[in-house]
Amino acid sequence: DVKVTQSSRYLVKRTGEKVFLECVQDMDHENMFWYRQDPGLGLRLIYFSYDVKMKEKGDIPEGYSVSREKKERFSLILESASTNQTSMYLCASSLRGGSARGTGELFFGEGSRLTVL
Amino acid sequence: KNEVEQSPQNLTAQEGEFITINCSYSVGISALHWLQQHPGGGIVSLFMLSSGKKKHGRLIATINIQEKHSSLHITASHPRDSAVYICAVPIYGFLNEKLTFGTGTRLTIIP
Repeated sequence: DVKVTQSSRYLVKRTGEKVFLECVQDMDHENMFWYRQDPGLGLRLIYFSYDVKMKEKGDIPEGYSVSREKKERFSLILESASTNQTSMYLCASSLRGGSARGTGELFFGEGSRLTVL
Repeated sequence: KNEVEQSPQNLTAQEGEFITINCSYSVGISALHWLQQHPGGGIVSLFMLSSGKKKHGRLIATINIQEKHSSLHITASHPRDSAVYICAVPIYGFLNEKLTFGTGTRLTIIP
């Protein structure tokens, strides 16, 4: 089974702290994504990466950065956490170009619930 | 206006009932995803379909590309089906890297 593992299920941080959220997948997927999920707003894309060292901004990249030094690992960084970044963060992975081939299934991690005080 | 609309937002039904959740989208797509999220956060991919119908156990997903509409049906619903169901479409064309998600339908099945 494909496994996407997020490093922390629950985190509590203080305003201004630097926060690292890590995600590891074991299926050699090219694509990796970071989403945040808020009540009433659904899932929103923060950043995605389609290869090592490659990244693209999603819909809400402000206040976030990412790192993909190895294919299996995609990190989300909050340089200076703020209270409006309190949210559920979800990592996902998929095969690149899978939609047309019928192999574009998304695999999600369990989520990391971040609270910024 | 959200490019992906789901209805209903909330649905409560008795065990055994036939369930239908709808998803309408406003852009051309190559495929549509149905996802399931149980309380506690984890999201599981149920279906990815680009035409016709797919079936997995008691779950059936259909899509009408011309009408830009998809439905998720659950037959003989069970309390363990209680979850949030989310549809998602790729809005940037050929590759599914960027998905737009509906806000989800919260389903509660009462024993």
